[in-house]
Amino acid sequence: AQSVAQPEDQVNVAEGNPLTVKCTYSVSGNPYLFWYVQYPNRGLQFLLKYITGDNLVKGSYGFEAEFNKSQTSFHLKKPSALVSDSALYFCAPNRKASGTYKYIFGTGTRLKVLA
Amino acid sequence: EPEVTQTPSHQVTQMGQEVILRCVPISNHLYFYWYRQILGQKVEFLVSFYNNEISEKSEIFDDQFSVERPDGSNFTLKIRSTKLEDSAMYFCASSDRTSGYQETQYFGPGTRLLVL
Repeated sequence: AQSVAQPEDQVNVAEGNPLTVKCTYSVSGNPYLFWYVQYPNRGLQFLLKYITGDNLVKGSYGFEAEFNKSQTSFHLKKPSALVSDSALYFCAPNRKASGTYKYIFGTGTRLKVLA
Repeated sequence: EPEVTQTPSHQVTQMGQEVILRCVPISNHLYFYWYRQILGQKVEFLVSFYNNEISEKSEIFDDQFSVERPDGSNFTLKIRSTKLEDSAMYFCASSDRTSGYQETQYFGPGTRLLVL
């Protein structure tokens, strides 16, 4: 079965410190890999994606993510956290099925950045 | 910047009633999706739609659900006879093939459906 694991329900980090939100996946083929962020009472906002090429991809709001094929991981990182980064983060591999792409969402990790 | 819009933002309905959730995808997008998120749970794929027909649907998307693109701009999800367990946030998404980046889906803000 296809699955995505975000092992931490919540990550707490002090403002200004680096942050990492972990994601590992078990999806057949070579899925594209995405991170989305959800602020309270808002929809999902696209942060970044990995399709091919350099294992380190940069996205919105200073976030980046590192793809590791051997570990099937795609961890989200930011060198210096902001209080405004506090939100729910979803890892979502995307694979093609029947001509369209379908996301498989993780359970989400709540990031809390403390001032 | 173009965005996906959804109406209504909130909908309260009685069990057994029909509801229609509306979405306006980004104008040049060709692929449309519905996902749902039950409170406190992960986002789940419901259905994808392209060229006026369903491309893929999940096991959640049973005969009570239907989708339609009634005109050139709207994309709707109909639940024929709502059940308590249909209470969730429903997200519409769209993606664009023409740019070569069809795999990125852009989500609307969601409709929170509460079935009483």
